[in-house]
Amino acid sequence: DAGVTQSPTHLIKTRGQQVTLRCSPKSGHDTVSWYQQALGQGPQFIFQYYEEEERQRGNFPDRFSGHQFPNYSSELNVNALLLGDSALYLCASSGDRVDPPGHYGYTFGSGTRLTVV
Amino acid sequence: RKEVEQDPGPFNVPEGATVAFNCTYSNSASQSFFWYRQDCRKEPKLLMSVYSSGNEDGRFTAQLNRASQYISLLIRDSKLSDSATYLCVVRQAGTALIFGKGTTLSVSS
Repeated sequence: DAGVTQSPTHLIKTRGQQVTLRCSPKSGHDTVSWYQQALGQGPQFIFQYYEEEERQRGNFPDRFSGHQFPNYSSELNVNALLLGDSALYLCASSGDRVDPPGHYGYTFGSGTRLTVV
Repeated sequence: RKEVEQDPGPFNVPEGATVAFNCTYSNSASQSFFWYRQDCRKEPKLLMSVYSSGNEDGRFTAQLNRASQYISLLIRDSKLSDSATYLCVVRQAGTALIFGKGTTLSVSS
């Protein structure tokens, strides 16, 4: 049973460029959340998609946008890249209605490491 | 104020030591609480849920105090393999997981 898969694993972009990151959720999960993790920090919530709509958004500018497809996979797009966008981008899928309570089976992919130069 | 705050760390302890991590959260509507473990350059993984009654999983014990909005994790008899970053995580109903900054633990022989 495949877990969460993200692509690409590493990416180097130039300031001002645009980037698209991809995520395939774990089988049986219908919700995808994206996080940004800078070096030495905890994951920061970007947004969450459910039923192809953005359900919740963290404190990130409009340069960050996303999409969820009918097969529940998702993309994260970042426009006008800044040096400060360099980070590990994590995708998590969820949707299990089983133990532990309130967790919904959140499972993380291994992330995409983005470097902006 | 950050929604989830943790001890800054790092914690450097010898094998066999007992170490405790603390965490506070600011949103009283938080309903679910977890500790995650993250190894260097890897994704976070669920370590354990945290319940008001306290819960234990082997050498790990988690406690929640809703009145104080405080969460703790106790690791007994530390092993080299416990070296990692421990992330305190909270969640309100219908929302995504919110992470603290994490506390780094280094266990040495």
